[in-house]
Amino acid sequence: DTEVTQTPKHLVMGMTNKKSLKCEQHMGHRAMYWYKQKAKKPPELMFVYSYEKLSINESVPSRFSPECPNSSLLNLHLHALQPEDSALYLCASSRSFQTNTGELFFGEGSRLTVL
Amino acid sequence: RKEVEQDPGPFNVPEGATVAFNCTYSNSASQSFFWYRQDCRKEPKLLMSVYSSGNEDGRFTAQLNRASQYISLLIRDSKLSDSATYLCVVNGDDKIIFGKGTRLHILP
Repeated sequence: DTEVTQTPKHLVMGMTNKKSLKCEQHMGHRAMYWYKQKAKKPPELMFVYSYEKLSINESVPSRFSPECPNSSLLNLHLHALQPEDSALYLCASSRSFQTNTGELFFGEGSRLTVL
Repeated sequence: RKEVEQDPGPFNVPEGATVAFNCTYSNSASQSFFWYRQDCRKEPKLLMSVYSSGNEDGRFTAQLNRASQYISLLIRDSKLSDSATYLCVVNGDDKIIFGKGTRLHILP
């Protein structure tokens, strides 16, 4: 069982909806990540939070808005998405970002469908 | 040259066979290297870290060749449960780069 918990597992939303994806870890990790993965492609990095501060935004459209309320929680707020945003959204954590060795712990993902 | 390149797949091999995956990386300053496994419609999971001296975990052996900027994964006595996508991951300059992955199908 993964120690990174994501909710919801599945989400269907219309292009005018506002929804949020949630991620939680209790391993004491200080870096948390959002990745997007399309079918048969590798995960693509979206955002990195390090010590609850946004460290990396990989030029993600503003219709995706991340939030890190505390060191255990990471949210991804979704608004006015497009059908091409349909994908598996993976949350991951690691001990730290600056000294990260690439050992990422992934949640099971939230499978998003935008109609 | 792409940052991380892997063998194209899919690999279809009979159960019990030995299979090898290769991965090359372009950034000579890369510091750490990993193989992740991803089952269909599941999240990636760390399979092995790759060390300069090479390392082995049961049927799995990983090797790193820094001079050639190349890492490999060998699976011996393959099982049906080894069917998955294997992702090469390279870390350097605070960037974690995923390869596109190689799909492996073990045939009964």
